[in-house]
Amino acid sequence: DTGVSQDPRHKITKRGQNVTFRCDPISEHNRLYWYRQTLGQGPEFLTYFQNEAQLEKSRLLSDRFSAERPKGSFSTLEIQRTEQGDSAMYLCASRIGTSGPTDTQYFGPGTRLTVL
Amino acid sequence: GQNIDQPTEMTATEGAIVQINCTYQTSGFNGLFWYQQHAGEAPTFLSYNVLDGLEEKGRFSSFLSRSKGYSYLLLKELQMKDSASYLCAVPSGTYKYIFGTGTRLKVLA
Repeated sequence: DTGVSQDPRHKITKRGQNVTFRCDPISEHNRLYWYRQTLGQGPEFLTYFQNEAQLEKSRLLSDRFSAERPKGSFSTLEIQRTEQGDSAMYLCASRIGTSGPTDTQYFGPGTRLTVL
Repeated sequence: GQNIDQPTEMTATEGAIVQINCTYQTSGFNGLFWYQQHAGEAPTFLSYNVLDGLEEKGRFSSFLSRSKGYSYLLLKELQMKDSASYLCAVPSGTYKYIFGTGTRLKVLA
């Protein structure tokens, strides 16, 4: 399978714990996005990478959230001191980046986080 | 500001035709995307419109009117497997995308 993959698919954690999610984009895609989606809502932009550079970050992303893409391939999203309000599906998407924002994004299956 | 509006829910019968509308407000326009999302799964790409008019792809068609800030997704010959959320999205600025809340379509037998 050469699509976007995410790991883990599900994560249950207790409030106050740290969690880290991983995303492996499609190999030739140098643009990578993280989104958060709650029930009944569309994906909400969190952050964007072009290769290893984090070029945009949502104001919604508090200082408890950090994302990296150290070698311009896979990316990680870490949430520190999780809160119940962080419970959501975290989606990763990638695109090839040859035609600007009009390129199609391809989504991974998501990581569903439940904070107890 | 940037805004997208879609109906929250629609219901239709198997074999029928349904039109899902999307209105948008953006400061610049770089096209409009439609995605399908089954419950608990990732969104999958359906269509992209940047010019006015209708684009047809099998049972699914998408229409765009840039002057009206309006798009619709037309689904023909509905099947039970078409029960899903349909998301409208527009690029915002250089890097971001804004998604609507999605329209949850229920197809009844």
